[in-house]
Amino acid sequence: QKEVEQNSGPLSVPEGAIASLNCTYSDRVSQSFFWYRQYSGKSPELIMSIYSNGDKEDGRFTAQLNKASQYVSLLIRDSQPSDSATYLCAASGYSTLTFGKGTMLLVSP
Amino acid sequence: GAGVSQTPSNKVTEKGKYVELRCDPISGHTALYWYRQSLGQGPEFLIYFQGTGAADDSGLPNDRFFAVRPEGSVSTLKIQRTERGDSAVYLCASSVSGGGGTDTQYFGPGTRLTVL
Repeated sequence: QKEVEQNSGPLSVPEGAIASLNCTYSDRVSQSFFWYRQYSGKSPELIMSIYSNGDKEDGRFTAQLNKASQYVSLLIRDSQPSDSATYLCAASGYSTLTFGKGTMLLVSP
Repeated sequence: GAGVSQTPSNKVTEKGKYVELRCDPISGHTALYWYRQSLGQGPEFLIYFQGTGAADDSGLPNDRFFAVRPEGSVSTLKIQRTERGDSAVYLCASSVSGGGGTDTQYFGPGTRLTVL
């Protein structure tokens, strides 16, 4: 049974700070990992994908993957109040996604 | 271009009734997925279509749930004899090809189903 674990939060950070979101997964078959952002009452929106060990940067976002430790993280630099949302970590082995419960991020002005 | 659309946006029904939820994927996407999201949880996989056929239906919770995609585009999720525990947001997603695990899945706005 594939599982993806996330701390539900909320994670509270002040505006301008770095937010660090973490995720672990149980299935070594998983090869691709995704971070989705979900605003309250809205559908998930993809913000980052990562497939190889190491870091991947896109603007203020950096995803990190360590397959040996089965660990994925997302760093958000210069956090803004508009970043306040639930961040969902997802793992994919072939085609379907297994999601964690999500971490709620609150960025205070 | 147009994204994934789902209708209705909200559906309220009574226990025991039959409901149909519709998903219209992004044009040209061959892969279509249904997920269910309960309050405070992440989306939970239900079924995956590659073209007209169900490539993986392992997430359907029981035989009251059924989905079709007869022409390889629009899909309908059908729930018979609804139960209060079926109340959730039903999300549909589509992707270009589906295979390989690296395809980006684009989600629709969801249908909020409430079973009274």
